[in-house]
Amino acid sequence: SQQGEEDPQALSIQEGENATMNCSYKTSINNLQWYRQNSGRGLVHLILIRSNEREKHSGRLRVTLDTSKKSSSLLITASRAADTASYFCATEGTSGSRLTFGEGTQLTVNP
Amino acid sequence: DGGITQSPKYLFRKEGQNVTLSCEQNLNHDAMYWYRQDPGQGLRLIYYSQIVNDFQKGDIAEGYSVSREKKESFPLTVTSAQKNPTAFYLCASSIRFPPGYANYGYTFGSGTRLTVV
Repeated sequence: SQQGEEDPQALSIQEGENATMNCSYKTSINNLQWYRQNSGRGLVHLILIRSNEREKHSGRLRVTLDTSKKSSSLLITASRAADTASYFCATEGTSGSRLTFGEGTQLTVNP
Repeated sequence: DGGITQSPKYLFRKEGQNVTLSCEQNLNHDAMYWYRQDPGQGLRLIYYSQIVNDFQKGDIAEGYSVSREKKESFPLTVTSAQKNPTAFYLCASSIRFPPGYANYGYTFGSGTRLTVV
């Protein structure tokens, strides 16, 4: 079952612009994570936000979490062509034994 | 360098044949996972293991089997019972945290692309 649903499915922006991706989920979670995947490659962990946190930053990344709405957003500021990739949210349920991934947002940053 | 290695990178399977995908990690992680990814889609969990000699079915375990005889290794066998095995297979590992205490995410391998010929 897919716990997370990303929105939009695809996003195309110009270099220097900000990119915002959203994720919604259905059940209670311990944490929510964001991953990046370049075409044909494995996933790379970007950031983890716990259920008792509302916002987290890492470099040009800003993640928010609203547990009342069961949603999260990932903001990439001052995007670069090298940010072109698919971005996935993943949730760890309260049992804590596994992650469930959404279907991803394909981000294209045009130079 | 510590990491997780999947092999082979590309694999071709004939109808009715079993094939085994290798996953090895030297990160000293207790937990390991196998995911399947179909084109343009997210990841679906096949099997996972929290500790040596123990593993659990994920959401799409039918037609697959695993073993966890060593901490470092978690091979996945795609059996002939899996009717649509063509996909990208990803192995991951993680530190085993108590529920609610995770500080780190998963480390993924670079994947094996399996094609039925």
